[in-house]
Amino acid sequence: QKEVEQNSGPLSVPEGAIASLNCTYSDRGSQSFFWYRQYSGKSPELIMFIYSNGDKEDGRFTAQLNKASQYVSLLIRDSQPSDSATYLCAVKRQGGKLIFGQGTELSVKP
Amino acid sequence: KAGVTQTPRYLIKTRGQQVTLSCSPISGHRSVSWYQQTPGQGLQFLFEYFSETQRNKGNFPGRFSGRQFSNSRSEMNVSTLELGDSALYLCASTYIMGGARNEQFFGPGTRLTVL
Repeated sequence: QKEVEQNSGPLSVPEGAIASLNCTYSDRGSQSFFWYRQYSGKSPELIMFIYSNGDKEDGRFTAQLNKASQYVSLLIRDSQPSDSATYLCAVKRQGGKLIFGQGTELSVKP
Repeated sequence: KAGVTQTPRYLIKTRGQQVTLSCSPISGHRSVSWYQQTPGQGLQFLFEYFSETQRNKGNFPGRFSGRQFSNSRSEMNVSTLELGDSALYLCASTYIMGGARNEQFFGPGTRLTVL
């Protein structure tokens, strides 16, 4: 079992819809959680971080964390074609090491 | 503030050679992490340096090494290159603060091709 798991996708949603990206992790001691967006040929760009249970909203993005279920998700409201990218979930373990999932490819169709 | 810079951006080497990649973190950031990204394995952690000391290490062979200088700039070295070392090498810098935050900001990467 991988330490951080994501569905590889591709996840295809129509423009204007809500895109839901999910991530599970195995280390219960994990402290903080990050979502990165990576466009093809580019480096990852941080879009959200969350470290306490519940929801955190930033514009069209909402990160949700459930530590009991070891589950973190990212919701993108009013999806735009420019949101088409690979979304990487990253989990910071105790000791500071950041572990990435394989990423979910999102495609937003006009 | 200038972002994370990496040099060179592209590199072509042959098997058996060695290579040195450089990373300059964001001004004020003292932690530098290195990652290898390949289509098959995704983003894999190589090592992290903080205040010139290696603080964390991933599961890579000893051919992969790194160091950090007093100005926080970091280098990573790969010796005896293999075809499987072809990858995008990413550097990320972090401003270490107390608590659980400490977001990492990535540089543009160095694309290494081993022939």
